[in-house]
Amino acid sequence: AIRMTQSPSSFSASTGDRVTITCRASQGISSYLAWYQQKPGKAPKLLIYAASTLQSGVPSRFSGSGSGTDFTLTISCLQSEDFATYYCQQYYSYPITFGQGTRLEIK
Amino acid sequence: QVQLQESGPGLVKPSETLSLTCTVSGGSISSYYWSWIRQPPGKGLEWIGYIYYSGSTNYNPSLKSRVTISVDTSKNQFSLKLSSVTAADTAVYYCARVRIAAAGKLGWFDPWGQGTLVTVSS
Repeated sequence: AIRMTQSPSSFSASTGDRVTITCRASQGISSYLAWYQQKPGKAPKLLIYAASTLQSGVPSRFSGSGSGTDFTLTISCLQSEDFATYYCQQYYSYPITFGQGTRLEIK
Repeated sequence: QVQLQESGPGLVKPSETLSLTCTVSGGSISSYYWSWIRQPPGKGLEWIGYIYYSGSTNYNPSLKSRVTISVDTSKNQFSLKLSSVTAADTAVYYCARVRIAAAGKLGWFDPWGQGTLVTVSS
């Protein structure tokens, strides 16, 4: 199985900050990567697929980049509603696997 | 828009079989792939498996010996059975639609159901 490793596992930031979360695959996955946002007690919400395609309705302050083994999710200007846990997911090969999550907290 | 809703017992005894159903509303279950994903309390996400509306399936090897996913197109539902459960199977179970990526690969999950907590305990 392809292992997905996110960094950092958690960190604190302030509204208005620009933040970047990294996801690394244990082997190349081309651009077969998605990002999700999850708030406490809620289901994950799709943000980005194909590494950089923004899901309809997701604010443009979210962006994704990368291919191969290294990927990033960037939030250009943090809003209060962005404090949540973020997961990456590869769909290059089975089994489909997720990163362990990055918890973004308010500083 | 398509909505998904999980249903089933919230408490299952060890060694018994966990059974959940996902009801799809606002659209047809046909022509799509559907999946189950779980999340132990305070932990990350684990893909369990998927089913096509025609009935073809693919399971996570870590659970394959215990998992069965089935579909009932007449009811617009698909179901999960997980046998011989232990406390390690305690989790929130989500159903989701699978979107098709380029080159026919099964891709990302959208939308998701709200999730249902299943606790394994005697």
